[in-house]
Amino acid sequence: AQSVTQLDSHVSVSEGTPVLLRCNYSSSYSPSLFWYVQHPNKGLQLLLKYTSAATLVKGINGFEAEFKKSETSFHLTKPSAHMSDAAEYFCVVSGNSGGSNYKLTFGKGTLLTVNP
Amino acid sequence: SQTIHQWPATLVQPVGSPLSLECTVEGTSNPNLYWYRQAAGRGLQLLFYSVGIGQISSEVPQNLSASRPQDRQFILSSKKLLLSDSGFYLCAWSVGTLNSPLHFGNGTRLTVT
Repeated sequence: AQSVTQLDSHVSVSEGTPVLLRCNYSSSYSPSLFWYVQHPNKGLQLLLKYTSAATLVKGINGFEAEFKKSETSFHLTKPSAHMSDAAEYFCVVSGNSGGSNYKLTFGKGTLLTVNP
Repeated sequence: SQTIHQWPATLVQPVGSPLSLECTVEGTSNPNLYWYRQAAGRGLQLLFYSVGIGQISSEVPQNLSASRPQDRQFILSSKKLLLSDSGFYLCAWSVGTLNSPLHFGNGTRLTVT
């Protein structure tokens, strides 16, 4: 079985300050991990993915995430928040679940608010 | 390039009425197709997925059904809507294996009144 926990349901930062969105996972297999972003009333857009290559993954819009196996974490960071980063962010883990090869497990999401 | 179309964007339906949401993918062959439902504060729930024409897997027992009449077409249906069917429905596609990321449509906001 696999699971993913986003440790904060809501994060608020000021524009220009760093962003940290935390994600912990559990998986019986070597997982693939993803971060998605969702703006209001829109679908989800892939920010970045980890698939057992480099542990520091760079994504779009200046985001990056570091896979730490010892801590079972995959936190999302950005050095300087922009107003347009305000959205909901989802951490996702993939792996076998009940014999199916096509299932991903989504976290419950972290709402990022950026204050001017 | 690949694109995904999902419609309608919003829908208001009375309890007991039927439902049909459609999703089509362009620019790829034999995609895996998915229907998710998103409720506020509860993340995404996988409803159905399909790895080929006529192959549908259901994740949770519910009032909904899915069909895949063509390779790149995925339809979500209900014969009689319930209030609890309200939510934001997302179609997505991927190709290949489990490590492949999902590509989402813009969603349908369904309100059952």
